[in-house]
Amino acid sequence: DAGITQSPRHKVTETGTPVTLRCHQTENHRYMYWYRQDPGHGLRLIHYSYGVKDTDKGEVSDGYSVSRSKTEDFLLTLESATSSQTSVYFCAAWGGANGQAFFGQGTRLTVV
Amino acid sequence: GQQLNQSPQSMFIQEGEDVSMNCTSSSIFNTWLWYKQEPGEGPVLLIALYKAGELTSNGRLTAQFGITRKDSFLNISASIPSDVGIYFCAGPQTSYDKVIFGPGTSLSVIP
Repeated sequence: DAGITQSPRHKVTETGTPVTLRCHQTENHRYMYWYRQDPGHGLRLIHYSYGVKDTDKGEVSDGYSVSRSKTEDFLLTLESATSSQTSVYFCAAWGGANGQAFFGQGTRLTVV
Repeated sequence: GQQLNQSPQSMFIQEGEDVSMNCTSSSIFNTWLWYKQEPGEGPVLLIALYKAGELTSNGRLTAQFGITRKDSFLNISASIPSDVGIYFCAGPQTSYDKVIFGPGTSLSVIP
């Protein structure tokens, strides 16, 4: 898993509340990613980061924001959670050219 | 943007059979990655391919980087029950900024 830890692993929250998911890596990888996984959709990229304070949108970024103030931490925030954001969220880190993307174990988020 | 397609979508095979699945794109990829995901876990990297035509093995798994750079193939020989899971292909879009995934091939192995 290349030292990638996600927290929390499970969370239940109410509609309209803010939620922050944390991804921590120990390998000093430059690139980090947040994906969501839903039945029938595979893994869809939400946001990614190519360095400290450098982030960009993926294919399903609406309703999400990210921040990366340190190389090792990449935070995903749902400003006002909605039921459509109920999903399993995966963080990944990539070592760059000829490298590989390694994943955390996922965070199961339920918005009620 | 670039998209990855995988086929078949799902497979049900008998233990001991060989398995073939593929991944295609309308655009060129410079790296192909194959992952396996088991229930409740994150995807785990199986094989990485970096050159067109490259053929790489990992135990009973063999993957190939297509010559056109628009496809890749994964074969599993003599399948066993623990091969069950979802197999994803993935690759970085043009640069290493965005790594996108195919929709997956779900494999079921009947003992």
